[in-house]
Amino acid sequence: DTVLTQSPALAVSPGERVSISCRASEGVNSYMHWYQQKPGQQPKLLIYKASNLASGVPARFSGSGSGTDFTLTIDPVEADDTATYFCQQSWNDPYTFGAGTKLELK
Amino acid sequence: EVQVLESGGGLVQPGNSLKLSCATSGFTFSTAWMYWYRQFPEKRLEWVARIKAKSNNYATDYTESVKGRFTISRDDSKSSIYLQMNNLKEEDTAIYYCARYGGWFAYWGQGTLVTVSS
Repeated sequence: DTVLTQSPALAVSPGERVSISCRASEGVNSYMHWYQQKPGQQPKLLIYKASNLASGVPARFSGSGSGTDFTLTIDPVEADDTATYFCQQSWNDPYTFGAGTKLELK
Repeated sequence: EVQVLESGGGLVQPGNSLKLSCATSGFTFSTAWMYWYRQFPEKRLEWVARIKAKSNNYATDYTESVKGRFTISRDDSKSSIYLQMNNLKEEDTAIYYCARYGGWFAYWGQGTLVTVSS
């Protein structure tokens, strides 16, 4: 299975820029997607196919990368962005998730 | 508006069974590939089962740890999928999510909690 590696946690101040990384153990083309999950809620799609903003998602969120290295960027970070962010690939079956990066605000 | 709603979770003893349901609306269900994912208490997300559309002969697949114990099914007339879970183990304790696959997972239900404990 394709393993996706994310940093476990980040802490930033409101108004700053933050980049969350995801590295795949094998190539996933551009089929990397990003989700936001707040406590008690289901995952919410933010970015699909590496760089496409999902419907209704603020333009503060952006994605980049291809192959094995991908990045989710939030600029500027707002208080409401406190959440866990997961990357997920759908190029290699089974479609796997990273362990998540918990974003905290200072 | 797309809606996905899971139900059927609860507390069950090891070795017992439970059947989860997922009712959907707002999209063409009959052509959709549908998935069950689960999220463990430590927040790790794991694919559980998949069922393809009629055009793919309703093919099913399972993660290794549930093969022979779980069965995914669908009823296109009700726009619903199901997960029959038998011989449950404590390590099956998780929130179970239903999701529609369309290249990525844009639509998720709110999840249903399954707790396996004596």
